Amino acid sequence: GENVEQHPSTLSVQEGDSAVIKCTYSDSASNYFPWYKQELGKRPQLIIDIRSNVGEKKDQRIAVTLNKTAKHFSLHITETQPEDSAVYFCAARGSQGNLIFGKGTKLSVKP
Amino acid sequence: DSGVTQTPKHLITATGQRVTLRCSPRSGDLSVYWYQQSLDQGLQFLIQYYNGEERAKGNILERFSAQQFPDLHSELNLSSLELGDSALYFCASSGITQYFGPGTRLTVL
Repeated sequence: GENVEQHPSTLSVQEGDSAVIKCTYSDSASNYFPWYKQELGKRPQLIIDIRSNVGEKKDQRIAVTLNKTAKHFSLHITETQPEDSAVYFCAARGSQGNLIFGKGTKLSVKP
Repeated sequence: DSGVTQTPKHLITATGQRVTLRCSPRSGDLSVYWYQQSLDQGLQFLIQYYNGEERAKGNILERFSAQQFPDLHSELNLSSLELGDSALYFCASSGITQYFGPGTRLTVL
């Protein structure tokens, strides 16, 4: 079936360092890949997304890269800050139009 | 604020009971998606409605059902509740991008 694998499950970095989260997807027809940030007890919030006709997208300290051939995409956060601490989910659009989510990465940024 | 609303915020009930969760999508969005998030778990897709019609089904139990009304709000009905149904339930609405509501925290005692 369709699935999205996400690694690592936990990530701890020092403030100011970079953080990278990687995802792979199974359905080669997937064409839309959003990333969500979820703070404890709150809703997942879209932070960046990328479509399959683009290889990279940046928004300030956040960037996403997509390799369609290898079926993987990554989230890069530079100059991390304590407020970046949260759970991050990657997703890929499935054949039914719904999003298939990875299991999440708990990012901790230590001051 | 995503523009997606959900009620109630919290719901505490007993095993065997039935509850209804409500979601109103963003203005202009025709699609509503329902997700379940258990403790330390990811987001499990349950079901999608588009303009009143069921469009896609995920890991939704037979005890659960949903519908979308002409005004596009949606309801998720959970019946014969079990302890394991305790979770956060999110709805999301979309054009292309999915925006999540604040969620309903269901506790089954």
